[in-house]
Amino acid sequence: EAQVTQNPRYLITVTGKKLTVTCSQNMNHEYMSWYRQDPGLGLRQIYYSMNVEVTDKGDVPEGYKVSRKEKRNFPLILESPSPNQTSLYFCASGSSSYEQYFGPGTRLTVT
Amino acid sequence: GQSLEQPSEVTAVEGAIVQINCTYQTSGFYGLSWYQQHDGGAPTFLSYNALDGLEETGRFSSFLSRSDSYGYLLLQELQMKDSASYFCAVKTGGGKLIFGQGTELSVKP
Repeated sequence: EAQVTQNPRYLITVTGKKLTVTCSQNMNHEYMSWYRQDPGLGLRQIYYSMNVEVTDKGDVPEGYKVSRKEKRNFPLILESPSPNQTSLYFCASGSSSYEQYFGPGTRLTVT
Repeated sequence: GQSLEQPSEVTAVEGAIVQINCTYQTSGFYGLSWYQQHDGGAPTFLSYNALDGLEETGRFSSFLSRSDSYGYLLLQELQMKDSASYFCAVKTGGGKLIFGQGTELSVKP
């Protein structure tokens, strides 16, 4: 089954404790991206990757890191999480940036 | 700045037709996409317009006017399962995609 998977689905953590949210796709897509969704703000792009070893900033990259060492994986790293990073996070992939397949989401709470 | 404007809420009855508008102001424009999202679940792709005109996919159609910086999503023969949030999104260049704040559609019996 073609899919984008994210782990964990739910995470409660404390300020400053480094965490990684994994994202994997099995559709051989070159393009992958991370978004955060907050009430009333829609989806905001954090980082995207056009191919292996190629990453670039979206609209809200501060406080986040990504890497793309393999085509199928695109982890999101929060080196020192803060409460304002409490959000619903989505990973997506696609053969193009305009048609993306989204993962199920990761609900992160930082206390 | 970059902005996409769409109505926050729309209500319609089952079987009716509804149009969700999207106007945009962005520094670059390559095309307009539409996504559907049910109750905080994964957004799903509906359509993409790169050129002016109407694109039809079953009960859903999407329209774009680049000269007016405007597009819309048209949903026909509304069903209860169409109750969801709908987002327009502009591809501005490279891999960047900017989303609107979403329109919550409520379909009433």
